Amino acid sequence: GQNIDQPTEMTATEGAIVQINCTYQTSGFNGLFWYQQHAGEAPTFLSYNVLDGLEEKGRFSSFLSRSKGYSYLLLKELQMKDSASYLCAVRGSTNTNAGKSTFGDGTTLTVKP
Amino acid sequence: GAVVSQHPSWVICKSGTSVKIECRSLDFQATTMFWYRQFPKQSLMLMATSNEGSKATYEQGVEKDKFLINHASLTLSTLTVTSAHPEDSSFYICSARDGTSNYGYTFGSGTRLTVV
Repeated sequence: GQNIDQPTEMTATEGAIVQINCTYQTSGFNGLFWYQQHAGEAPTFLSYNVLDGLEEKGRFSSFLSRSKGYSYLLLKELQMKDSASYLCAVRGSTNTNAGKSTFGDGTTLTVKP
Repeated sequence: GAVVSQHPSWVICKSGTSVKIECRSLDFQATTMFWYRQFPKQSLMLMATSNEGSKATYEQGVEKDKFLINHASLTLSTLTVTSAHPEDSSFYICSARDGTSNYGYTFGSGTRLTVV
């Protein structure tokens, strides 16, 4: 099965940097996704990692270590609009899980002035 | 980029009635679509995998006779909540992946269902 852990809540200050961690235990692995979800809206894609290392995309970066079952999402120069829930999702690679993504419970980030 | 259109955005229905939710991939073909349910302040829970031209695959604990899924074409999947009850009130979201892309799934805008 899949088990994904991430902190429930985080608070940071506008302009600062915040790192949201995600650890996972899976029966198969075919990539890790980060999504942003504002209240009442559908998730939007932020990043995808399938190989170890850091992927940078503007203010957002995502890191993956497959051997450690660990990822983080790094948000720089925080803005008020970054207040949202951030979901870590792992896509399985086994025959029964192929193509399906399992989501963590999400981390609610609050950015304060 | 890939766009998934989901309708309706919100619906209120009476207990015992059925509600159909549509999910369309607008600029790509999706042989597989996923249906999720999300309760307030909880994460997305996969309900079923919708496969074009074949039966959907349901997750454990999801009643296939209550949540009917039809994936009749490469661009359309529908979820029908039959004999709805207040506990079915939730946010239902579909997602699909453009087969030419190895990136994230595109989500529909979601449907807020309230059963009264």
